[in-house]
Amino acid sequence: DAGVIQSPRHEVTEMGQEVTLRCKPISGHNSLFWYRQTMMRGLELLIYFNNNVPIDDSGMPEDRFSAKMPNASFSTLKIQPSEPRDSAVYFCASSTRRSPRDEQFFGPGTRLTVL
Amino acid sequence: QQQVKQSPQSLIVQKGGISIINCAYENTAFDYFPWYQQFPGKGPALLIAIRPDVSEKKEGRFTISFNKSAKQFSLHIMDSQPGDSATYFCAALNFGNEKLTFGTGTRLTIIP
Repeated sequence: DAGVIQSPRHEVTEMGQEVTLRCKPISGHNSLFWYRQTMMRGLELLIYFNNNVPIDDSGMPEDRFSAKMPNASFSTLKIQPSEPRDSAVYFCASSTRRSPRDEQFFGPGTRLTVL
Repeated sequence: QQQVKQSPQSLIVQKGGISIINCAYENTAFDYFPWYQQFPGKGPALLIAIRPDVSEKKEGRFTISFNKSAKQFSLHIMDSQPGDSATYFCAALNFGNEKLTFGTGTRLTIIP
């Protein structure tokens, strides 16, 4: 089992550029979550999908952030335009969602630095 | 608004000692309380979890104590080992909206 796969692992970009983060959930999992981790705010849920449908995007900070899940095996988080305050580690997690208590399995994260 | 407050921010414990991390919550709609362990460069991983109808849950050296009336819960790591050095996050799940809210994390260091 490869676990949740995220790419890239590290991204350095300049302010104003578009950034796309990618996630492949564990096969068979039908819920997918995007989190952002910073020293100041800890782990924050940005958005989550169930069966490829966005269920709650109330954590998305601004319209500059968008997320898609075109199929059960792929999701993207896009930031356009990026700003220095977007610098953080972004995690994708997936779960089976037989129950909300089902364990969320996290990927290794993408460390984003916006200069 | 921080709905789950975690302390301490960092903790140093000697090998063989007991590590204790505390969390408090405000929202009575939370009904599941997992703890996650995160090593540097890795994503968080579920360590142990408890439901609010149970006051204690033990798995090996790890124990969650839960006080529903005080809205507090804590993680105890017995016989702490250097391999336990990591960041620990408490979390709370709102079953209604299926969202996990995390504490701010505790960086635990076990020294020989």
